[in-house]
Amino acid sequence: DSGVTQTPKHLITATGQRVTLRCSPRSGDLSVYWYQQSLDQGLQFLIQYYNGEERAKGNILERFSAQQFPDLHSELNLSSLELGDSALYFCASSPGIRGAEAFFGQGTRLTVV
Amino acid sequence: GEDVEQSLFLSVREGDSSVINCTYTDSSSTYLYWYKQEPGAGLQLLTYIFSNMDMKQDQRLTVLLNKKDKHLSLRIADTQTGDSAIYFCAESMSAGSWGKLQFGAGTQVVVTP
Repeated sequence: DSGVTQTPKHLITATGQRVTLRCSPRSGDLSVYWYQQSLDQGLQFLIQYYNGEERAKGNILERFSAQQFPDLHSELNLSSLELGDSALYFCASSPGIRGAEAFFGQGTRLTVV
Repeated sequence: GEDVEQSLFLSVREGDSSVINCTYTDSSSTYLYWYKQEPGAGLQLLTYIFSNMDMKQDQRLTVLLNKKDKHLSLRIADTQTGDSAIYFCAESMSAGSWGKLQFGAGTQVVVTP
């Protein structure tokens, strides 16, 4: 167990809908990262938050947004869902901005039908 | 195309050594990582190496880094059936920190009795 908790584990929704994925980082970790794992794109970095502020942005679609709350949990919002958004969404956390290690949660598997 | 390249499949007999290879492109990468993903599970950090090191050993795992050729390898000694998984090589894109990682496509390792 990495200590990073993601909910829900599985999500099935229809095209055009909006969903929210939640991540609770390891105790004491200030940085949260979101990654998408799909069959065609592999593992892609989406976005990073550090202590509530956006720190780095990757290949995140405009239909997607994220935030990190004062209690340091993070949510990834996916809207106007398309079939191609079906993927495993991972959250990871690390203590700070600098440092070598971060730990991944178990992921949320999103299926858009 | 991906900046981090790995062979897609490796079959190894139980008890033998496994060697998984990876090439990366960004010579400024600070850290290089190996992650393991078992079916239906998240990403488990196996080990990482700082870019000024040539080798790192951790129990059955040995990481070799050839900066000149931008080549990273992971050797698993005495491979067990529990080592069957997908192994991802990744390089950090943020100097001095975990930050954004660029992952390879993953190498599926199958261990046969």
